[in-house]
Amino acid sequence: DAGVTQSPTHLIKTRGQQVTLRCSPISGHKSVSWYQQVLGQGPQFIFQYYEKEERGRGNFPDRFSARQFPNYSSELNVNALLLGDSALYLCASSSQGGSSYEQYFGPGTRLTVT
Amino acid sequence: AQSVTQLGSHVSVSEGALVLLRCNYSSSVPPYLFWYVQYPNQGLQLLLKYTSAATLVKGINGFEAEFKKSETSFHLTKPSAHMSDAAEYFCAVTHSGGYNKLIFGAGTRLAVHP
Repeated sequence: DAGVTQSPTHLIKTRGQQVTLRCSPISGHKSVSWYQQVLGQGPQFIFQYYEKEERGRGNFPDRFSARQFPNYSSELNVNALLLGDSALYLCASSSQGGSSYEQYFGPGTRLTVT
Repeated sequence: AQSVTQLGSHVSVSEGALVLLRCNYSSSVPPYLFWYVQYPNQGLQLLLKYTSAATLVKGINGFEAEFKKSETSFHLTKPSAHMSDAAEYFCAVTHSGGYNKLIFGAGTRLAVHP
C-alpha cells in the first residue's frame, strides 16, 4: 500500500515568493496535518484538516494557509516567503481526526528560501 | 498548555549496550504520548504510543517505554543497541479528546558505535 506522498521533494525559492506544497494521504484516511521542522528542532504543528474542514491551527502567521480537497489530498501555501521559512515540511495523515488515531508521516518537502 | 522536554540532544552508546532516551512532559490533562524515529532524509516513523492503557508500552524494533505519571516521564529504552538504531528520536504529546495536534520535543540524536 502506498504511504503518504509529498511533492515536490525539494525546492528553492527566493524571499518574497509564494510556494505550494502538496500531500496525498494514505488511501482511506480523511485527516491531514502539516508540520514545519526547522533544522535541529522538532516538528511544529501548522494545520490539521479533517473532512475538508480546518480542525486546528498552530502559531503561524496568516502567510500560511492550507486546504483539503474532496479526495482528501491537501495543499499548504506560504506567501511572502522569508528566510526563516526554510525547513522540512511534513505532512501526516490519519484515518480520523481525533488525537488517539495514529499519524503516518510522509518523507517531507525540503524548502530552501534564499 | 502541553510541552515536552528531551534531556540530552545527543546520546552515544556502544553496540549491544542499553539505550535510554529521556522524555519528560507537561500536561494539565491526561496525555497521550508518542515516540517517533527519523532516519536521515526521511519522515517520521512511529515507534510506540501510550493512550492510557498499560503503562509499559512495547513498540517496534525492540523498543519500549514506561509511562510514569508521578515523574511526568515517558523514557524510551532498548536492551541492546544495534548499529541500525542510529537516528533522531522525538517524543511527542497530545491529549485525549482533542484533535490530532502533536507537540514534539527537540529530539535526541542517537549514535551507535561498534
